[in-house]
Amino acid sequence: AQSVTQLGSHVSVSEGALVLLRCNYSSSVPPYLFWYVQYPNQGLQLLLKYTTGATLVKGINGFEAEFKKSETSFHLTKPSAHMSDAAEYFCAVSDNTNAGKSTFGDGTTLTVKP
Amino acid sequence: EPEVTQTPSHQVTQMGQEVILRCVPISNHLYFYWYRQILGQKVEFLVSFYNNEISEKSEIFDDQFSVERPDGSNFTLKIRSTKLEDSAMYFCASRSQGLSPYEQYFGPGTRLTVT
Repeated sequence: AQSVTQLGSHVSVSEGALVLLRCNYSSSVPPYLFWYVQYPNQGLQLLLKYTTGATLVKGINGFEAEFKKSETSFHLTKPSAHMSDAAEYFCAVSDNTNAGKSTFGDGTTLTVKP
Repeated sequence: EPEVTQTPSHQVTQMGQEVILRCVPISNHLYFYWYRQILGQKVEFLVSFYNNEISEKSEIFDDQFSVERPDGSNFTLKIRSTKLEDSAMYFCASRSQGLSPYEQYFGPGTRLTVT
């Protein structure tokens, strides 16, 4: 079984400030981890992913995330927030079975203040 | 770049009616999925499909739901008798066994409104 917990349903930062969105996972097998962004009334866009190898992964739009097995975490960061980053962010974990379904967290709404 | 497409983008139906949501996965992908997102909530797994059969389904995916790959390109989700609580955004996804075997590619979604 697998699960994802996103701490903080709403995060508000000022433009130019650090963005930190938290994600902890639970998985009985080595996890594959993903961050998606969703803008209002739109679909899911993949920001970045961790499957194997380097634990610090870089994604689009200046985002990055670090896989920490000991902490079962995969927090998303961006050094400097931009107004266009305001959106809903979902962390997801996928297993390595043939089904390979993804389990999503509840999401974090990021607000960026001018 | 290949992408997953879904039609229609918005479907309005009356309670008790049957609806079919259509998806065209990326052509060389082998695994197919449907997810649901009720407004303001998280994305929930419904069903996965591989080798022309369901490989896993969630408790949401009851007898009212069915999936089919009728012609080798389309992947459909049918809801036999819609309920008000079926109103949601439905996302189709597909993945391959290639370089990124566990990355699912999501379609833009179909917003289903049941009145």
